[in-house]
Amino acid sequence: AQSVTQLGSHVSVSEGALVLLRCNYSSSVPPYLFWYVQYPNQGLQLLLKYTTGATLVKGINGFEAEFKKSETSFHLTKPSAHMSDAAEYFCAVRENQAGTALIFGKGTTLSVSS
Amino acid sequence: KAGVTQTPRYLIKTRGQQVTLSCSPISGHRSVSWYQQTPGQGLQFLFEYFSETQRNKGNFPGRFSGRQFSNSRSEMNVSTLELGDSALYLCASSGLSSYNEQFFGPGTRLTVL
Repeated sequence: AQSVTQLGSHVSVSEGALVLLRCNYSSSVPPYLFWYVQYPNQGLQLLLKYTTGATLVKGINGFEAEFKKSETSFHLTKPSAHMSDAAEYFCAVRENQAGTALIFGKGTTLSVSS
Repeated sequence: KAGVTQTPRYLIKTRGQQVTLSCSPISGHRSVSWYQQTPGQGLQFLFEYFSETQRNKGNFPGRFSGRQFSNSRSEMNVSTLELGDSALYLCASSGLSSYNEQFFGPGTRLTVL
């Protein structure tokens, strides 16, 4: 069965600092991988996704992630944090190829201080 | 394009009651998935419907059920509510694009007293 592990339930950075949110996955088939962001009292918004092809994926709001098969990782980064980036971030893997169901990690709350 | 809409946004019920939540997908999307989000368990997949048929199901008891109508709108029902059913219920829809990206609604916050 596929699974996702997000290392660190809480990450704190200063404004302008590098953001690194870690995600490792387990999958017996080539995975589709996603990062979502959730702001308080809202649904999930897709930041970026890896399906096939280029392993460095660029998303919205300056975020990017690199798929590393050898490390089974899909870490999310942003060179310079903004206050508006404070939110909860979820890494997800698509469960099987026949449907769209996602398996989510437990989430990482990002705090940004001025 | 209008996004995924969910009604109601907030709901308060008591133990033993049943509840029905509604989801209207993005126009043209035929796949609707439901997820439960709680502080303890995180985001968990409930079920997925495609063209009125359940395509996938998560590991939830039979008290949780769903259906999809011919216009792709979906409902989920929870019978005999328990305190532990208090959660944010999220609906997501997908189109026929290559990788079936899911678009999420704002959720329905269910509180069971």
